[in-house]
Amino acid sequence: QQQVKQSPQSLIVQKGGISIINCAYENTAFDYFPWYQQFPGKGPALLIAIRPDVSEKKEGRFTISFNKSAKQFSLHIMDSQPGDSATYFCAARLRGSTLGRLYFGRGTQLTVWP
Amino acid sequence: SAVISQKPSRDICQRGTSLTIQCQVDSQVTMMFWYRQQPGQSLTLIATANQGSEATYESGFVIDKFPISRPNLTFSTLTVSNMSPEDSSIYLCSAGTSGNTGELFFGEGSRLTVL
Repeated sequence: QQQVKQSPQSLIVQKGGISIINCAYENTAFDYFPWYQQFPGKGPALLIAIRPDVSEKKEGRFTISFNKSAKQFSLHIMDSQPGDSATYFCAARLRGSTLGRLYFGRGTQLTVWP
Repeated sequence: SAVISQKPSRDICQRGTSLTIQCQVDSQVTMMFWYRQQPGQSLTLIATANQGSEATYESGFVIDKFPISRPNLTFSTLTVSNMSPEDSSIYLCSAGTSGNTGELFFGEGSRLTVL
């Protein structure tokens, strides 16, 4: 059973456009929601993370929107660039759980065309 | 932050053999973990590597198949035993220090292909 459901599986966006990736969860005991970026041949790297006490977090061109009542969160990449082409994973961690016990979504392969 | 190095980065193995993956972290971290990333799939936690004691395995993973060692704070090994083609995957070492940030760092992974 997938604890965190991610969509779309793949996304193609033109340079300068907005990329939006969505995730949903059921377990209300999740209290930490990170997004990871993974380039081919590399390990995942933390991009941005949010806790459920805020509805939005912005870091540069990357924004997480969090809807606690709907149990959904999304990643928005503004002014998408070819260098953003990568696989993006959302994840969630249970309250009180150990650091590494993350439940990952299946990933979204983003391609930004120049 | 933490830089995590893994060896080997990739290997091709024969069915029935075992392979040990090494993971070295460049700074002292409190926690180390091993993940599996199957082709086109998500990341799944295999186990928490505990310093000086037996690893804590997630459901579906057992010590006989994936023995793990962590002799000190910055080094861990994962062995994939008696490999079958279904074990072909990327194995990722991760580490971090518990605290307010709770950031988890990943190595670049070890891509295993079992023939």
